Amino acid sequence: GQQLNQSPQSMFIQEGEDVSMNCTSSSIFNTWLWYKQDPGEGPVLLIALYKAGELTSNGRLTAQFGITRKDSFLNISASIPSDVGIYFCAGQRDYGGSQGNLIFGKGTKLSVKP
Amino acid sequence: DTAVSQTPKYLVTQMGNDKSIKCEQNLGHDTMYWYKQDSKKFLKIMFSYNNKELIINETVPNRFSPKSPDKAHLNLHINSLELGDSAVYFCASSRSLQGANYGYTFGSGTRLTVV
Repeated sequence: GQQLNQSPQSMFIQEGEDVSMNCTSSSIFNTWLWYKQDPGEGPVLLIALYKAGELTSNGRLTAQFGITRKDSFLNISASIPSDVGIYFCAGQRDYGGSQGNLIFGKGTKLSVKP
Repeated sequence: DTAVSQTPKYLVTQMGNDKSIKCEQNLGHDTMYWYKQDSKKFLKIMFSYNNKELIINETVPNRFSPKSPDKAHLNLHINSLELGDSAVYFCASSRSLQGANYGYTFGSGTRLTVV
């Protein structure tokens, strides 16, 4: 089945640092989404990308839809403690006009550096 | 106002029991989903319903049966629960089958523990 490879699996952040994570796939996607999940909650949509090459920002978050349509990255600038959580990439394919279901990456867990 | 609400939030039950998880959305969306999140946090789709019709049924055991009495509700019924069914189950909804254009809205999850 389709798989999204998300990296890194986990990372530690210190307040003020910039953070990067990315997602790759062997298949082409026509939509890329980035979600954040806090403990005990469901994933919440952060950024949605619809066109190859598209670069979109949401506050300190910036995400890009790769030119090949097989990858996407998410950057968080000047991280703060409330940025901790699990970040998921998700992709959706177009099957001849109808949309496939949303496929999720395995997540990147952001924790505060001890 | 909770957009997608699931009940119960926690469910502990014995092997072999039958249980249901309820989901309701007040967003006016016409497609609803059930996802399973395992202990490694991997999210995998189980079902989606559009206008009360099952659109996707991934390779999920037939002990799991989604039931949608109307567009705003999608319940998940599980028969003969097994230890491996322990996970967090998320309900989600979206507008039309082109859900990703507007993003899926998730509920806060139901943590099912089978003992």
